[in-house]
Amino acid sequence: DAKTTQPNSMESNEEEPVHLPCNHSTISGTDYIHWYRQLPSQGPEYVIHGLTSNVNNRMASLAIAEDRKSSTLILHRATLRDAAVYYCILRDEAGNTGKLIFGQGTTLQVKP
Amino acid sequence: DAGVTQSPTHLIKTRGQQVTLRCSPKSGHDTVSWYQQALGQGPQFIFQYYEEEERQRGNFPDRFSGHQFPNYSSELNVNALLLGDSALYLCASRHDRNYGYTFGSGTRLTVV
Repeated sequence: DAKTTQPNSMESNEEEPVHLPCNHSTISGTDYIHWYRQLPSQGPEYVIHGLTSNVNNRMASLAIAEDRKSSTLILHRATLRDAAVYYCILRDEAGNTGKLIFGQGTTLQVKP
Repeated sequence: DAGVTQSPTHLIKTRGQQVTLRCSPKSGHDTVSWYQQALGQGPQFIFQYYEEEERQRGNFPDRFSGHQFPNYSSELNVNALLLGDSALYLCASRHDRNYGYTFGSGTRLTVV
């Protein structure tokens, strides 16, 4: 299974943009790049996903490198509610099961 | 619209016992996956059910088994519990591969 590498932790100031990096050098052609986040005592929450092109939604933007070996989740204006563990995940669509392969994640702290 | 519902929320079992965890997927979702999350770690894929069949399985022993019912709800069974089975067990559902998974808040299992 292809794996991802993320920094253990990052800090941000409230209302500033946050760029969360992820390396996935062994990504395969059938792997989608997903981002989920997990608040304390809750299950993971879907944030965004993409395959090759950059993606935007109401929560965040996903920038994918041309060679797909890295990606960056962009929170345009961090709020205190964005403090969570952010997981960069490769979704394996081989066999069409779409299992999620979680890594350790990045703990994001947002300072007021 | 109710999301993924898991029961019970907390459970304490004795080593060697058996446990059954339950999951009701989000309305309209037909695919259910189960994950195990140890403290401080990312979730690990156990297995996925679709059309009442196990479609893919992670690296878990046969003590872990599951079932999906015609209404798409699912159960996770763990036999001969070990202390190491203590974890947060998460259920996730989805309808279509073009969308993310919706996770429940999990069942916290403690084996003593």
